Amino acid sequence: GENVEQHPSTLSVQEGDSAVIKCTYSDSASNYFPWYKQELGKRPQLIIDIRSNVGEKKDQRIAVTLNKTAKHFSLHITETQPEDSAVYFCAASKGGSGYSTLTFGKGTMLLVSP
Amino acid sequence: DTEVTQTPKHLVMGMTNKKSLKCEQHMGHRAMYWYKQKAKKPPELMFVYSYEKLSINESVPSRFSPECPNSSLLNLHLHALQPEDSALYLCASSQLTTGDTEAFFGQGTRLTVV
Repeated sequence: GENVEQHPSTLSVQEGDSAVIKCTYSDSASNYFPWYKQELGKRPQLIIDIRSNVGEKKDQRIAVTLNKTAKHFSLHITETQPEDSAVYFCAASKGGSGYSTLTFGKGTMLLVSP
Repeated sequence: DTEVTQTPKHLVMGMTNKKSLKCEQHMGHRAMYWYKQKAKKPPELMFVYSYEKLSINESVPSRFSPECPNSSLLNLHLHALQPEDSALYLCASSQLTTGDTEAFFGQGTRLTVV
């Protein structure tokens, strides 16, 4: 089955700095790569996603890049704010049957200090 | 309406009890999922339903019994659970397309088995 590795496990930055989280996946058939933000005690919420036919996607301060050859994808957050502090999960899914079976990385706890 | 609603929010049950978790969505999604999330871990897929039929069971013990009575509802029946089953149980739903669409998560049921 799919295996998703995520690094780092914790990341501390100062407000205004950039943060980068990296993930690798094992199954070359995976074609959908979402990123979820989970605040303490709350549900995972999608912040950005990328599909296998796209190399990069940006949404305001958040961007994701995908290298299918190397099987890795990364989340970039610029101008970090204290409210960005949360656990971030990358995930991979290969669909195929119509539904989205997500395999998650182990998560990165991002702490943004004022 | 982009909400997935789960009830109850919290549940404490004994090892001999029978209880049910409920999940409801009105987004017209025909794929619904149960995930289990232990503390400081990523969500792990348990079951997938597509068109109200069980499509995937990730080798989940039979003390967990899913049910999808209609296209809006998903239940998880619990019986004879163990303390190690204590976790956050997340329901999710998505469109049935090519598998590369957003999965919307409910806020979860925090289950404690005593």
